[in-house]
Amino acid sequence: AQTVTQSQPEMSVQEAETVTLSCTYDTSENNYYLFWYKQPPSRQMILVIRQEAYKQQNATENRFSVNFQKAAKSFSLKISDSQLGDTAMYFCAFTTNTGNQFYFGTGTSLTVIP
Amino acid sequence: EAQVTQNPRYLITVTGKKLTVTCSQNMNHEYMSWYRQDPGLGLRQIYYSMNVEVTDKGDVPEGYKVSRKEKRNFPLILESPSPNQTSLYFCASSPNRGGFGEQFFGPGTRLTVL
Repeated sequence: AQTVTQSQPEMSVQEAETVTLSCTYDTSENNYYLFWYKQPPSRQMILVIRQEAYKQQNATENRFSVNFQKAAKSFSLKISDSQLGDTAMYFCAFTTNTGNQFYFGTGTSLTVIP
Repeated sequence: EAQVTQNPRYLITVTGKKLTVTCSQNMNHEYMSWYRQDPGLGLRQIYYSMNVEVTDKGDVPEGYKVSRKEKRNFPLILESPSPNQTSLYFCASSPNRGGFGEQFFGPGTRLTVL
């Protein structure tokens, strides 16, 4: 069974500081894709960053980067220079190369404090 | 503008009254999917479709039906809604199988079943 676990229901960070959100997953597949989605109060789902499991290099998108540890099945999101607009729910998600299903974690609610 | 649209955005109904939530995308995407979002549970996949006339169950298909008669539309049907189907529903589409392409989400439909 494929599962995604986010063990931090809520987090907060001071503006301009760095915060790391944790995600672990479980799969027996070797090829898969991992994602972080952001859901601001508007409820719109926005893709933040994506990582292909076969790539060794960690993905980065501006202030967002991931720490992908394949052996540990860990996929954490680091947000640098946190901004008020980063306040949102963040979901870790996963899909396999062979399957067509998507699996989401339960989410981490991040608050950026001015 | 490339987008996924859902209607209605808000719906309050009563137990047993059949309803349909429509989903349409204008990006010629092959893959479409429905999710429900509940507090503490994250997003869970209800059904997905790889292409016209091809649909399959996700993790929580009970009580729902879908159809894909045209590429752009993927309606979600609740034949006999029950209170445990009160939730926030999202439709999403992707240019190919979810893992290869970014999923584009609709704005969500807030459903309340009394």
